[in-house]
Amino acid sequence: KAGVTQTPRYLIKTRGQQVTLSCSPISGHRSVSWYQQTPGQGLQFLFEYFSETQRNKGNFPGRFSGRQFSNSRSEMNVSTLELGDSALYLCASSFSPTGVAKNIQYFGAGTRLSVL
Amino acid sequence: DAKTTQPPSMDCAEGRAANLPCNHSTISGNEYVYWYRQIHSQGPQYIIHGLKNNETNEMASLIITEDRKSSTLILPHATLRDTAVYYCIVRVDYGANSKLTFGKGITLSVRP
Repeated sequence: KAGVTQTPRYLIKTRGQQVTLSCSPISGHRSVSWYQQTPGQGLQFLFEYFSETQRNKGNFPGRFSGRQFSNSRSEMNVSTLELGDSALYLCASSFSPTGVAKNIQYFGAGTRLSVL
Repeated sequence: DAKTTQPPSMDCAEGRAANLPCNHSTISGNEYVYWYRQIHSQGPQYIIHGLKNNETNEMASLIITEDRKSSTLILPHATLRDTAVYYCIVRVDYGANSKLTFGKGITLSVRP
Protein backbone atom coordinates (compact mmCIF):
# COMPACT_ATOMS: atom_id res chain seq x y z
CA LYS A 1 0.00 0.00 0.00
CA ALA A 2 1.42 3.39 -0.93
CA GLY A 3 2.27 5.75 1.90
CA VAL A 4 1.42 9.40 2.37
CA THR A 5 2.58 11.40 -0.63
CA GLN A 6 3.47 15.07 -0.43
CA THR A 7 4.24 17.28 -3.38
CA PRO A 8 6.40 19.06 -4.15
CA ARG A 9 9.30 17.88 -2.00
CA TYR A 10 11.14 21.19 -2.25
CA LEU A 11 9.93 24.69 -2.95
CA ILE A 12 11.57 28.10 -3.05
CA LYS A 13 9.45 31.23 -2.84
CA THR A 14 10.02 34.90 -2.10
CA ARG A 15 8.46 37.03 0.59
CA GLY A 16 4.92 38.12 -0.16
CA GLN A 17 4.15 35.24 -2.48
CA GLN A 18 1.68 32.50 -1.71
CA VAL A 19 2.19 28.76 -1.88
CA THR A 20 0.04 25.65 -2.07
CA LEU A 21 1.22 22.28 -0.82
CA SER A 22 -0.45 18.98 -1.61
CA CYS A 23 -0.95 15.80 0.38
CA SER A 24 -2.36 12.47 -0.79
CA PRO A 25 -3.22 10.24 2.17
CA ILE A 26 -2.89 6.49 2.40
CA SER A 27 -5.70 4.81 0.49
CA GLY A 28 -8.74 4.48 2.72
CA HIS A 29 -7.59 7.12 5.19
CA ARG A 30 -10.02 9.98 5.61
CA SER A 31 -8.21 12.16 8.13
CA VAL A 32 -5.35 14.47 7.18
CA SER A 33 -3.34 16.58 9.61
CA TRP A 34 -0.71 19.18 8.81
CA TYR A 35 2.36 20.10 10.87
CA GLN A 36 5.12 22.68 10.58
CA GLN A 37 8.64 21.77 11.66
CA THR A 38 11.35 24.35 12.27
CA PRO A 39 14.66 24.07 14.14
CA GLY A 40 13.51 26.62 16.72
CA GLN A 41 9.93 25.54 17.38
CA GLY A 42 10.08 21.85 16.52
CA LEU A 43 6.98 20.08 15.24
CA GLN A 44 3.82 22.14 15.60
CA PHE A 45 0.28 21.17 14.70
CA LEU A 46 -1.43 23.31 12.07
CA PHE A 47 -4.83 21.75 11.44
CA GLU A 48 -6.73 18.55 10.80
CA TYR A 49 -9.35 17.70 8.21
CA PHE A 50 -11.78 14.83 8.15
CA SER A 51 -14.48 14.32 5.53
CA GLU A 52 -13.73 17.74 4.04
CA THR A 53 -14.29 19.51 7.39
CA GLN A 54 -11.68 21.14 9.58
CA ARG A 55 -11.89 19.42 12.95
CA ASN A 56 -8.99 20.89 14.84
CA LYS A 57 -6.76 23.91 14.46
CA GLY A 58 -3.42 24.89 15.95
CA ASN A 59 -2.21 28.33 16.93
CA PHE A 60 -1.20 29.76 13.56
CA PRO A 61 -2.25 33.00 11.84
CA GLY A 62 -5.00 33.09 9.28
CA ARG A 63 -2.43 33.18 6.48
CA PHE A 64 -2.28 29.42 6.92
CA SER A 65 -5.30 27.64 5.54
CA GLY A 66 -6.20 24.27 4.19
CA ARG A 67 -8.90 22.22 2.60
CA GLN A 68 -9.75 18.63 1.89
CA PHE A 69 -11.36 17.20 -1.18
CA SER A 70 -13.93 14.44 -1.49
CA ASN A 71 -11.19 11.93 -2.32
CA SER A 72 -9.48 12.86 1.00
CA ARG A 73 -6.57 14.59 -0.69
CA SER A 74 -5.66 17.79 1.10
CA GLU A 75 -3.99 21.06 0.24
CA MET A 76 -2.43 23.62 2.50
CA ASN A 77 -2.04 27.24 1.48
CA VAL A 78 0.14 29.94 2.94
CA SER A 79 -0.46 33.48 1.75
CA THR A 80 1.81 36.51 2.01
CA LEU A 81 4.86 34.43 2.81
CA GLU A 82 7.29 35.59 5.48
CA LEU A 83 10.88 34.55 6.03
CA GLY A 84 9.81 32.74 9.18
CA ASP A 85 7.55 30.45 7.16
CA SER A 86 10.63 28.59 5.94
CA ALA A 87 10.11 25.11 7.32
CA LEU A 88 9.43 21.47 6.65
CA TYR A 89 5.69 21.00 6.25
CA LEU A 90 4.48 17.54 7.13
CA CYS A 91 1.22 15.85 6.37
CA ALA A 92 -0.10 12.87 8.30
CA SER A 93 -3.04 10.65 7.50
CA SER A 94 -5.08 8.27 9.60
CA PHE A 95 -8.05 6.02 9.05
CA SER A 96 -10.17 7.73 11.64
CA PRO A 97 -10.01 11.27 12.96
CA THR A 98 -8.28 12.24 16.16
CA GLY A 99 -10.86 11.76 18.82
CA VAL A 100 -11.46 8.15 17.93
CA ALA A 101 -9.73 5.45 19.89
CA LYS A 102 -6.28 4.30 18.83
CA ASN A 103 -5.89 6.80 16.05
CA ILE A 104 -2.42 6.31 14.53
CA GLN A 105 -1.07 8.94 12.21
CA TYR A 106 1.26 8.08 9.35
CA PHE A 107 3.46 10.84 8.05
CA GLY A 108 4.68 11.78 4.61
CA ALA A 109 8.25 12.85 3.87
CA GLY A 110 7.28 16.51 3.90
CA THR A 111 7.67 19.56 1.70
CA ARG A 112 10.65 21.75 2.48
CA LEU A 113 9.72 25.38 1.86
CA SER A 114 12.38 28.05 1.67
CA VAL A 115 11.27 31.68 1.67
CA LEU A 116 13.84 34.15 0.39
CA ASP B 1 3.05 22.26 25.50
CA ALA B 2 4.51 18.77 25.52
CA LYS B 3 3.74 16.86 28.69
CA THR B 4 6.86 14.70 28.55
CA THR B 5 10.52 15.15 29.38
CA GLN B 6 13.30 13.25 27.69
CA PRO B 7 17.08 13.57 27.93
CA PRO B 8 18.41 15.39 24.88
CA SER B 9 20.61 12.59 23.61
CA MET B 10 22.06 9.16 24.18
CA ASP B 11 24.09 6.64 22.28
CA CYS B 12 24.48 2.91 22.16
CA ALA B 13 26.56 0.33 20.35
CA GLU B 14 25.23 -1.44 17.30
CA GLY B 15 23.66 -4.77 18.19
CA ARG B 16 23.00 -3.79 21.78
CA ALA B 17 19.65 -2.86 23.28
CA ALA B 18 18.79 0.84 23.31
CA ASN B 19 16.66 1.90 26.28
CA LEU B 20 15.10 5.33 25.78
CA PRO B 21 13.53 6.86 28.89
CA CYS B 22 10.60 9.25 29.10
CA ASN B 23 9.04 11.02 32.07
CA HIS B 24 5.35 11.92 32.02
CA SER B 25 4.62 12.57 35.68
CA THR B 26 1.38 14.49 35.01
CA ILE B 27 -0.18 11.88 32.77
CA SER B 28 -3.91 11.41 33.19
CA GLY B 29 -5.68 8.10 33.46
CA ASN B 30 -7.10 8.36 29.97
CA GLU B 31 -3.89 9.36 28.21
CA TYR B 32 -1.87 6.99 26.11
CA VAL B 33 1.90 7.02 25.65
CA TYR B 34 2.95 7.12 21.99
CA TRP B 35 6.42 6.85 20.51
CA TYR B 36 7.41 8.18 17.11
CA ARG B 37 10.84 8.55 15.58
CA GLN B 38 12.17 10.84 12.88
CA ILE B 39 15.14 9.94 10.78
CA HIS B 40 16.92 12.95 9.33
CA SER B 41 14.91 14.76 6.66
CA GLN B 42 12.03 12.27 6.78
CA GLY B 43 8.59 12.44 8.34
CA PRO B 44 8.00 10.95 11.80
CA GLN B 45 7.38 7.23 11.91
CA TYR B 46 4.97 5.58 14.35
CA ILE B 47 6.67 3.01 16.58
CA ILE B 48 4.35 1.88 19.36
CA HIS B 49 1.84 3.07 21.94
CA GLY B 50 0.33 1.87 25.20
CA LEU B 51 -1.92 2.78 28.09
CA LYS B 52 -0.71 0.88 31.13
CA ASN B 53 0.36 -2.58 30.05
CA ASN B 54 3.69 -3.29 28.46
CA GLU B 55 3.49 -3.55 24.68
CA THR B 56 5.67 -5.22 22.06
CA ASN B 57 5.63 -5.17 18.30
CA GLU B 58 8.08 -5.93 15.53
CA MET B 59 9.92 -2.67 16.05
CA ALA B 60 10.20 -2.21 19.79
CA SER B 61 8.91 -2.82 23.30
CA LEU B 62 7.27 -0.25 25.53
CA ILE B 63 7.59 -0.61 29.28
CA ILE B 64 5.30 1.63 31.37
CA THR B 65 5.83 1.89 35.11
CA GLU B 66 3.00 0.86 37.38
CA ASP B 67 2.30 4.46 38.41
CA ARG B 68 2.44 5.43 34.70
CA LYS B 69 4.69 8.38 35.43
CA SER B 70 7.46 7.14 33.20
CA SER B 71 8.11 4.72 30.38
CA THR B 72 10.98 3.19 28.45
CA LEU B 73 11.16 2.40 24.77
CA ILE B 74 13.40 -0.58 24.08
CA LEU B 75 14.98 -1.28 20.72
CA PRO B 76 16.27 -4.80 21.35
CA HIS B 77 19.09 -4.90 18.80
CA ALA B 78 19.93 -1.39 17.65
CA THR B 79 21.29 -0.90 14.14
CA LEU B 80 22.87 2.12 12.49
CA ARG B 81 19.52 2.78 10.77
CA ASP B 82 17.94 3.34 14.19
CA THR B 83 19.88 6.59 14.55
CA ALA B 84 17.08 9.16 14.79
CA VAL B 85 15.20 11.56 17.04
CA TYR B 86 12.69 9.66 19.18
CA TYR B 87 9.59 11.43 20.44
CA CYS B 88 7.59 10.34 23.46
CA ILE B 89 4.06 11.80 23.38
CA VAL B 90 1.10 11.51 25.71
CA ARG B 91 -2.34 12.13 24.35
CA VAL B 92 -5.92 11.30 25.03
CA ASP B 93 -7.24 8.89 22.48
CA TYR B 94 -10.58 10.58 22.06
CA GLY B 95 -12.02 14.07 21.99
CA ALA B 96 -11.37 17.03 19.79
CA ASN B 97 -8.02 17.85 21.40
CA SER B 98 -6.29 14.53 20.97
CA LYS B 99 -3.77 15.92 18.51
CA LEU B 100 -0.13 14.89 18.70
CA THR B 101 2.00 17.39 20.62
CA PHE B 102 5.69 16.82 19.95
CA GLY B 103 8.42 17.84 22.38
CA LYS B 104 12.11 18.08 21.57
CA GLY B 105 12.64 14.33 21.61
CA ILE B 106 15.79 12.38 22.33
CA THR B 107 18.50 11.96 19.72
CA LEU B 108 19.72 8.38 19.62
CA SER B 109 23.08 7.79 17.99
CA VAL B 110 23.97 4.18 17.25
CA ARG B 111 27.71 3.71 16.91
CA PRO B 112 29.37 0.88 14.95
